[in-house]
Amino acid sequence: GAVVSQHPSRVICKSGTSVKIECRSLDFQATTMFWYRQFPKQSLMLMATSNEGSKATYEQGVEKDKFLINHASLTLSTLTVTSAHPEDSSFYICSARFTSGGISQYFGPGTRLLVL
Amino acid sequence: AQSVSQHNHHVILSEAASLELGCNYSYGGTVNLFWYVQYPGQHLQLLLKYFSGDPLVKGIKGFEAEFIKSKFSFNLRKPSVQWSDTAEYFCAVTSNQAGTALIFGKGTTLSVSS
Repeated sequence: GAVVSQHPSRVICKSGTSVKIECRSLDFQATTMFWYRQFPKQSLMLMATSNEGSKATYEQGVEKDKFLINHASLTLSTLTVTSAHPEDSSFYICSARFTSGGISQYFGPGTRLLVL
Repeated sequence: AQSVSQHNHHVILSEAASLELGCNYSYGGTVNLFWYVQYPGQHLQLLLKYFSGDPLVKGIKGFEAEFIKSKFSFNLRKPSVQWSDTAEYFCAVTSNQAGTALIFGKGTTLSVSS
């Protein structure tokens, strides 16, 4: 159980375009989902906390107008990278927590974004 | 604010050697501690976690970790590593508060030679 999927797994886009990444909890409901970014050979950096039905909470230094997060249902959160630039190229990983509580987070497989 | 420090950036071992990866955290309240592993080209997998109770936690693949509250540490150990343990290892911490995210350390690269 506790499977989190992400789509797409890999995307290449031109500079200036927008890219949407989906994160789904497949067999559980998640009130809270988290978005992380991982640069090559580096750790996961928390970008934002996404709560179902409310605005996301962004970490310091993360532009909320550039990284749009929508958490419209208990099983789906989306991250849209708007007007992507080469420096946005990274590995984006989402995770989800059970609605019913608990501390464990379950991670998706990640989405590799390459902006040309 | 919570923070996690992993002392070793890159560890190189021969097969059958013993492993200990250091992890220290900074947080004033009750914490929950995790070790994750990321094999090359793969996503994160949970190795083990500590919430409460016995401070010596056993995880998958023969790994264990010991929570020492007085030292704010949660070091990962394995008595005998294998070539297949080559991976990136991340220590992470979160609080008991609802909705708080995992905060990760910078990671330790483990290279095991056969």
